[in-house]
Amino acid sequence: KAGVTQTPRYLIKTRGQQVTLSCSPISGHRSVSWYQQTPGQGLQFLFEYFSETQRNKGNFPGRFSGRQFSNSRSEMNVSTLELGDSALYLCASSSDSTQETQYFGPGTRLLVL
Amino acid sequence: QQQVKQSPQSLIVQKGGISIINCAYENTAFDYFPWYQQFPGKGPALLIAIRPDVSEKKEGRFTISFNKSAKQFSLHIMDSQPGDSATYFCAIKAAGNKLTFGGGTRVLVKP
Repeated sequence: KAGVTQTPRYLIKTRGQQVTLSCSPISGHRSVSWYQQTPGQGLQFLFEYFSETQRNKGNFPGRFSGRQFSNSRSEMNVSTLELGDSALYLCASSSDSTQETQYFGPGTRLLVL
Repeated sequence: QQQVKQSPQSLIVQKGGISIINCAYENTAFDYFPWYQQFPGKGPALLIAIRPDVSEKKEGRFTISFNKSAKQFSLHIMDSQPGDSATYFCAIKAAGNKLTFGGGTRVLVKP
């Protein structure tokens, strides 16, 4: 089985722009979670989608949003980018509703200038 | 709101030595305690996990010890190898399916 894939792998944007990141989970996985990883804050949970519904949300501003499609692929969007949004954005998929075993993708590294 | 504290932040160990990483959590409403391993340029990968009804779990050279009363759990890497050099994250999961990660420990195994 192919692993979790994320596109693009690298992205450079300027402040004020918006960005959309994509995640394709492992085939058959219905849960997709997004995390932000930075050296200072570590791995922080953004949100989780299960069967096209947002089930959990972390403590991030409304500029961060996401969605999940019927094929379980997910996108996250960040609007009005700030310098502090520079991070590695990780997507993880899980095969069951309990989300216990999460399989992470390689991440999208976003640099905001 | 940090619910899990991980220590140390970094660790240097000689090949063949034991690496020990500790995590402490703040309440008892968690039912799953995984450890993830991350290599540079890669996403984290599940290494080993434990449930609170078990005090120890061993998989190869990796062992989790769990102390429910102290609200602590730790990862022991026995016979550490240079290939174990990575960042390790503990995590906790409560009902509601959200994983909260510790701050990470960078382990360097010297040959």
